Amino acid sequence: AQTVTQSQPEMSVQEAETVTLSCTYDTSESDYYLFWYKQPPSRQMILVIRQEAYKQQNATENRFSVNFQKAAKSFSLKISDSQLGDAAMYFCAPGGSQGNLIFGKGTKLSVKP
Amino acid sequence: KAGVTQTPRYLIKTRGQQVTLSCSPISGHRSVSWYQQTPGQGLQFLFEYFSETQRNKGNFPGRFSGRQFSNSRSEMNVSTLELGDSALYLCASSLVAGPYNEQFFGPGTRLTVL
Repeated sequence: AQTVTQSQPEMSVQEAETVTLSCTYDTSESDYYLFWYKQPPSRQMILVIRQEAYKQQNATENRFSVNFQKAAKSFSLKISDSQLGDAAMYFCAPGGSQGNLIFGKGTKLSVKP
Repeated sequence: KAGVTQTPRYLIKTRGQQVTLSCSPISGHRSVSWYQQTPGQGLQFLFEYFSETQRNKGNFPGRFSGRQFSNSRSEMNVSTLELGDSALYLCASSLVAGPYNEQFFGPGTRLTVL
């Protein structure tokens, strides 16, 4: 079965600083996508960034970037220039073999002004 | 373009009752997935529908069922409610089915079972 591990239940970052959220996963698939979703207190899940597993180049979306290590099955999210609005739960989610998302337990990110 | 909508947003039921939740996907999206979110188990996949057919199902008892209509709207039903069914139920839609498609989530339905 596919599993996802987010080893940091909670993280804290100072506004304008950089923070990295870690994620490791286990899959038998050779081709898949990986996603980071953000869930603010409103509970609305918002896609932050996605990575195609067949691409070696790490995805970047404005202040968000990933460090994807396919062999190590590691998919970390880096948030640069952290803003107060980045405070949320962050979920790592590889795409399952049938199309469903497999979610980690999440990392609660706090941003200090 | 309107996002994914879910109704109702909040629901309170008692044990033994049944409940139906509704999800309207983004216009043009044909795949709808359902997830259950609880503090203990986190986010768990319930099932996915594509073109009115259940394409994939998670590890939930038969009390949980769903369907999709020709306009891609989906409903999920939970019969004989248990206290442990209290959760946030999230619906997500995507253009087509498969592991490569971005899923867009609705705001969720908060179900409380008393």
